[in-house]
Order: sequence, then C-alpha cells, then structure tokens
Amino acid sequence: SQTIHQWPATLVQPVGSPLSLECTVEGTSNPNLYWYRQAAGRGLQLLFYSVGIGQISSEVPQNLSASRPQDRQFILSSKKLLLSDSGFYLCAWSVRAVDTQYFGPGTRLTVL
Amino acid sequence: GQQLNQSPQSMFIQEGEDVSMNCTSSSIFNTWLWYKQDPGEGPVLLIALYKAGELTSNGRLTAQFGITRKDSFLNISASIPSDVGIYFCAGQNFGNEKLTFGTGTRLTIIP
Repeated sequence: SQTIHQWPATLVQPVGSPLSLECTVEGTSNPNLYWYRQAAGRGLQLLFYSVGIGQISSEVPQNLSASRPQDRQFILSSKKLLLSDSGFYLCAWSVRAVDTQYFGPGTRLTVL
Repeated sequence: GQQLNQSPQSMFIQEGEDVSMNCTSSSIFNTWLWYKQDPGEGPVLLIALYKAGELTSNGRLTAQFGITRKDSFLNISASIPSDVGIYFCAGQNFGNEKLTFGTGTRLTIIP
C-alpha cells in the first residue's frame, strides 16, 4: 500500500530564516506530487505541483520554491521566511492521469 | 485561484442529526471528490464520483454528482462525535493535473 510522509510535523522559525520541508511517498512510482498551504480556518491553496523529476509548476508567486530531486521526494524551500508564510503545509500525491489526491499528515509552520 | 462554493460555511448540530452540505461551481467537472479534515491532520478522501447523476455511499455518508455536472452534495446520516471536522469538495477535469477545492464546511456537534 502507498504511504506519504512529511517532516517535520511542527516547526517554529524566526523571520528571515531558511526553510526546508520534505515529503516522501512510498509504494508507488511516477506519482504527481503537490504542495498546498492552509491558513488557520481556511481552505487549501495549491502552491506547487510536479509531474516528474525536476518538473515543477508554480501556482502562486511568492518567496517559496519547490524541488523534486527524486521520483518520490518533494521539497518545499525558502531562503528567507516571512510572517505570512505561517500555516499548515500539506503534501499530496496522485497516480498520473487519475484524479484522486492523497494527503500527508502536514507540517505546522509558525514564523515568529 | 478558482474555488468552489460550499454551503453552509459552518454547521452546529446535535449528535444523531442528519447533515447535508453542497458544493457548486460555475463550470462543469468530470470528477467530484469529498474529503474530511480532522483538526491538525491532512484531508482524507471520503467519496469519489465519476458520473453525472451518480449516487455513492460510504457507510453513513452519501454523495451525489449533480446532473448538471456543476454541483455535488454530501449527506451524513445519524451524526456521531467523530464526524466533527472540515469537509471539502473538489472537482477535476480530464487532462488537468490539479484539483479545484471548495471553501469547506466546518461541522461542529453540540453536546
């Protein structure tokens, strides 16, 4: 069966510090991968998605970036965090050309 | 980006009551999905709908793919405390790698 992992689970970072969140998927090959952000009490905002290694599509211009160095690894990064980057970050995967997305447990990021 | 309209935005019900919520779009979708998110966790898929008019059940949950393909409905019968959470609808079209998510319905059960 497929599983998706995210770490860390929680993170508190000062403004201006760098960020690296990691997402890995097990039990499948060539998945589509997605990064979402969810502000407190709000809906899901798609940040990036990837259909293959090194292929990243950006949905929202911001100070975040994403990379996919391996087939089942998706990384969300920032060089300098802003207060507005606080939120709940969710990674998701789907089978290529199939609609259903499956979400990871999320990372709670607080920028102080 | 585009979002689907979900209503109601929030619901306060007593345990044992039935729940109905819906999701509407200005454009058609080929697939409708319903997710539930518990506090502090990622959304979990509840039901997937692939055909206009389709009615699908998952235990006490029943969802329908609207005939116009621009809406979907989710019903929960005999609510229990673990039904508390946020329910999201999502729509997708063939060939599109992305889902369009609804704004969410927050369900609270009053003791």
